[in-house]
Amino acid sequence: DVKVTQSSRYLVKRTGEKVFLECVQDMDHENMFWYRQDPGLGLRLIYFSYDVKMKEKGDIPEGYSVSREKKERFSLILESASTNQTSMYLCASDSPILGDFQPQHFGDGTRLSIL
Amino acid sequence: GQQLNQSPQSMFIQEGEDVSMNCTSSSIFNTWLWYKQDPGEGPVLLIALYKAGELTSNGRLTAQFGITRKDSFLNISASIPSDVGIYFCAGLYDYKLSFGAGTTVTVRA
Repeated sequence: DVKVTQSSRYLVKRTGEKVFLECVQDMDHENMFWYRQDPGLGLRLIYFSYDVKMKEKGDIPEGYSVSREKKERFSLILESASTNQTSMYLCASDSPILGDFQPQHFGDGTRLSIL
Repeated sequence: GQQLNQSPQSMFIQEGEDVSMNCTSSSIFNTWLWYKQDPGEGPVLLIALYKAGELTSNGRLTAQFGITRKDSFLNISASIPSDVGIYFCAGLYDYKLSFGAGTTVTVRA
């Protein structure tokens, strides 16, 4: 089974702090994704990466950056945390190889509160 | 991302009932996925649909990929208490998923 592991389940930070959310997957998937989940809005894509050191903006990248130095690890960075970034953050990975598509598998999420 | 309209937003179930939810979009998708999220956990894939018109079952769950490729539905038959949670539809296009806002399923008291 695919395992996507997010480093923290709950995190509390202060406004203006630089925040790192870490995600690791063990299935050698090419693609990795960061979403935020808010009530009534579903999951919205922040950034994704289709290869090491590659990144693409999703639908709501403002205020965030990402890093992918190794294939199995994808980090989300809040450069200067603000209260409107309080949310549930979900990491996912998948493999887009033609003929072997594996749908996105998710981690258990990090519930981040910015005070 | 593409806009997906998922309905209903919430529903109450009584044990043994059949329930239905659906997703529509103005855009065409290559793949439709249905996920379920339990409290405090990440979404878990329930069913994946890869071809227009495809009807797929997974136990008490049945989902269909609409023939126009712009919609999908999920049915749960003979619901049980552990069916409560949030159900999300997702459409895949160009390797990116767009999600519906979710259907929250709660047990009727």
